[in-house]
Amino acid sequence: DSGVTQTPKHLITATGQRVTLRCSPRSGDLSVYWYQQSLDQGLQFLIQYYNGEERAKGNILERFSAQQFPDLHSELNLSSLELGDSALYFCASSVGARATDTQYFGPGTRLTVL
Amino acid sequence: AQSVTQPDIHITVSEGASLELRCNYSYGATPYLFWYVQSPGQGLQLLLKYFSGDTLVQGIKGFEAEFKRSQSSFNLRKPSVHWSDAAEYFCAVGQGGTSYGKLTFGQGTILTVHP
Repeated sequence: DSGVTQTPKHLITATGQRVTLRCSPRSGDLSVYWYQQSLDQGLQFLIQYYNGEERAKGNILERFSAQQFPDLHSELNLSSLELGDSALYFCASSVGARATDTQYFGPGTRLTVL
Repeated sequence: AQSVTQPDIHITVSEGASLELRCNYSYGATPYLFWYVQSPGQGLQLLLKYFSGDTLVQGIKGFEAEFKRSQSSFNLRKPSVHWSDAAEYFCAVGQGGTSYGKLTFGQGTILTVHP
């Protein structure tokens, strides 16, 4: 158990809908990361927040948005969902914001878009 | 842009045999290098990391990796594989700086262990 929690574990929804994925980082960690894992694209970095502020951005679609709240939990919002958004979404956390800070991964949220 | 290549999609070894998983990266400066393991239905767990210094790094579960700048490689090794090592292994690179904690992952190598 990494100490990173993600809810829900599974999510099934229809095209065009909007969903919210939630992540609680390990106690004491200030950075939260979101990654998408799909068969087509592999494991891809989406976005990083540190203490409430965006720090790094990957190839995150405009239909996707994220935020980190004052209690440090984070939410990833996916809207106008398409079949291709079906994937495993991982949250990770680390103490600091640097690449040298070990990232601890949660168990993931499996999103299925029908 | 940095990239990571894991040439082997799937590797099968017998229990007790040695293992080497290959990883090549493309990046101008010395990158930060990582190996993660993902068991079925689980998140990723860090096995080891290299930032600088001794090019042979030791990790958890008896794994080690060697950084070779001339070959742009960071191969993962284990002298004797156990059935519990069956999983998917990911090599990743971070460049730091204005990229902060962003990691770029390879496509992964699935390891099957035969008894």
